[in-house]
Amino acid sequence: GESVGLHLPTLSVQEGDNSIINCAYSNSASDYFIWYKQESGKGPQFIIDIRSNMDKRQGQRVTVLLNKTVKHLSLQIAATQPGDSAVYFCAENPNTGGFKTIFGAGTRLFVKA
Amino acid sequence: EAQVTQNPRYLITVTGKKLTVTCSQNMNHEYMSWYRQDPGLGLRQIYYSMNVEVTDKGDVPEGYKVSRKEKRNFPLILESPSPNQTSLYFCASSRRLGYEQYFGPGTRLTVT
Repeated sequence: GESVGLHLPTLSVQEGDNSIINCAYSNSASDYFIWYKQESGKGPQFIIDIRSNMDKRQGQRVTVLLNKTVKHLSLQIAATQPGDSAVYFCAENPNTGGFKTIFGAGTRLFVKA
Repeated sequence: EAQVTQNPRYLITVTGKKLTVTCSQNMNHEYMSWYRQDPGLGLRQIYYSMNVEVTDKGDVPEGYKVSRKEKRNFPLILESPSPNQTSLYFCASSRRLGYEQYFGPGTRLTVT
């Protein structure tokens, strides 16, 4: 598969445990945040998003927490499964300086069976 | 099936030979974008388009051009490729800014 990052922070968890992946975002004016999952050889896939008027949002087995005070975003995966092994990216849409999308560097998650 | 397609998937070329990577989406999305992905650097936005005939630079636009003549297509043009443009390229689209983006499968470009 394609190499998506050779020097990424790595998180290794046991199957069935909960995973927490963290992201520090760059722009205090950002109003929309997204988590993507990228498996080897594929493009990123949407997992969950959150807008700046919320501090928590839950999906199926995933929860995103937003702390605007310290510009921090986290992704929690409950009961982590081998299929969750991938690289996870946070992204933000700053509402200043144009209409860009800014991605974090990514975290590689390994799930041990 | 809702999807973003890119062509070609793999391309090896030589310095200075103009090339175009095509991107097409079938979801009637307004926002389209090109990213490059390099080891340790994550995804960096090259150009984006808010709608037909509306494009703007991302964080790494040097050496690239784009056009948006139709809503579904957003080609990436390298007029004179150089080895530092060797990378993995992704096209993406979303309903509009502020919504999740759907990514294509990627184009692996090597410039020798």
